[in-house]
Amino acid sequence: DAKTTQPTSMDCAEGRAANLPCNHSTISGNEYVYWYRQIHSQGPQYIIHGLKNNETNEMASLIITEDRKSSTLILPHATLRDTAVYYCIVRDFQGAQKLVFGQGTRLTINP
Amino acid sequence: DVKVTQSSRYLVKRTGEKVFLECVQDMDHENMFWYRQDPGLGLRLIYFSYDVKMKEKGDIPEGYSVSREKKERFSLILESASTNQTSMYLCASRGTGGSQPQHFGDGTRLSIL
Repeated sequence: DAKTTQPTSMDCAEGRAANLPCNHSTISGNEYVYWYRQIHSQGPQYIIHGLKNNETNEMASLIITEDRKSSTLILPHATLRDTAVYYCIVRDFQGAQKLVFGQGTRLTINP
Repeated sequence: DVKVTQSSRYLVKRTGEKVFLECVQDMDHENMFWYRQDPGLGLRLIYFSYDVKMKEKGDIPEGYSVSREKKERFSLILESASTNQTSMYLCASRGTGGSQPQHFGDGTRLSIL
């Protein structure tokens, strides 16, 4: 699976949009981009995933660049409960079953 | 919504005990997983199962076994608990086909004294 690079930490004001970047410059054609988050002492929570088109669900939007080398997760109206570590993962759905989380981005939502 | 339920959030056991961690999913998923998560080491796969009674070793199976007698239930067994098995244990499930994501339970924080 391709390697991803994320900023170590970010801050965002409550009510504003949180934009979390992820770089995956070595992504291949079969690899999807997945986003998870983990709130302290809880299990990882799946947020969204996509291949090349932008995706939106009730939690977030995923914007993937045309060359697919980077993506941005957007939380449109951040709340204090969105404070968590966010993980961007790239994997081939036909590849190994296990998930490997990198360091992720520690997002802090400030009141 | 997918629901993955782990039987305990916190568990304290003694060295040498046989420990059972239970996981149930309600989405008829074929694939189920057990991971452990430790600070600085990230997520590590212990075992996974792609069907009833089928299992595959992950990266760190030593000291563990698993059981999948029913599709919705996947159990992790610590045969003789040791202090180095103190960890956060995470169960996940995933449907077959396409790009379906893994969905995780809330985790069991296990302490071996």
